[in-house]
Amino acid sequence: GQNIDQPTEMTATEGAIVQINCTYQTSGFNGLFWYQQHAGEAPTFLSYNVLDGLEEKGRFSSFLSRSKGYSYLLLKELQMKDSASYLCAVRDPYSGAGSYQLTFGKGTKLSVIP
Amino acid sequence: SAVISQKPSRDICQRGTSLTIQCQVDSQVTMMFWYRQQPGQSLTLIATANQGSEATYESGFVIDKFPISRPNLTFSTLTVSNMSPEDSSIYLCSYCRSRADTQYFGPGTRLTVL
Repeated sequence: GQNIDQPTEMTATEGAIVQINCTYQTSGFNGLFWYQQHAGEAPTFLSYNVLDGLEEKGRFSSFLSRSKGYSYLLLKELQMKDSASYLCAVRDPYSGAGSYQLTFGKGTKLSVIP
Repeated sequence: SAVISQKPSRDICQRGTSLTIQCQVDSQVTMMFWYRQQPGQSLTLIATANQGSEATYESGFVIDKFPISRPNLTFSTLTVSNMSPEDSSIYLCSYCRSRADTQYFGPGTRLTVL
């Protein structure tokens, strides 16, 4: 089976740094994605990791350890507009009826406070 | 990334009726998907829309309830048939250009069934 875990909610202060963790257990692995989703809107792609290590993109960084089944999304210099849900998703070529589709975690709702 | 649009953006429907949601991408893409996001939940894959052949449905979803068409590489439809209040959800179309590519999401269709 597949299991993707991330914290349900987090709160952080404007200007601070926050790390959102994601652990996964899947039959196969072909990449891990992070999406941002503001309330009432569609998910927006943030980052993609397929090899171990850190990927940096502006204020956002994502880390992957395949041996540990672990990833995190790091948000620096938090802004109020970063208040949103952050979704961790794994692409598993062996899951489901189709192939190479994404399986999503339940999302982490981040609240940024002044 | 290509521009992806959905119609309608929202609708309110009566129990027992059907609604067809359209998804249009402004360039040819290999893979298109349909997801459902129920209130307060993460995304669940309904099916992979295959160009020129029947869609591949995930466990718990059947063609009679969610017929899907994909007549070409830029367009797909999802029909929610014989609706009940439990079908109230956001329905999201997504695409990726290849199995190694990022998956991008449309703006979603917010459906309310009375």
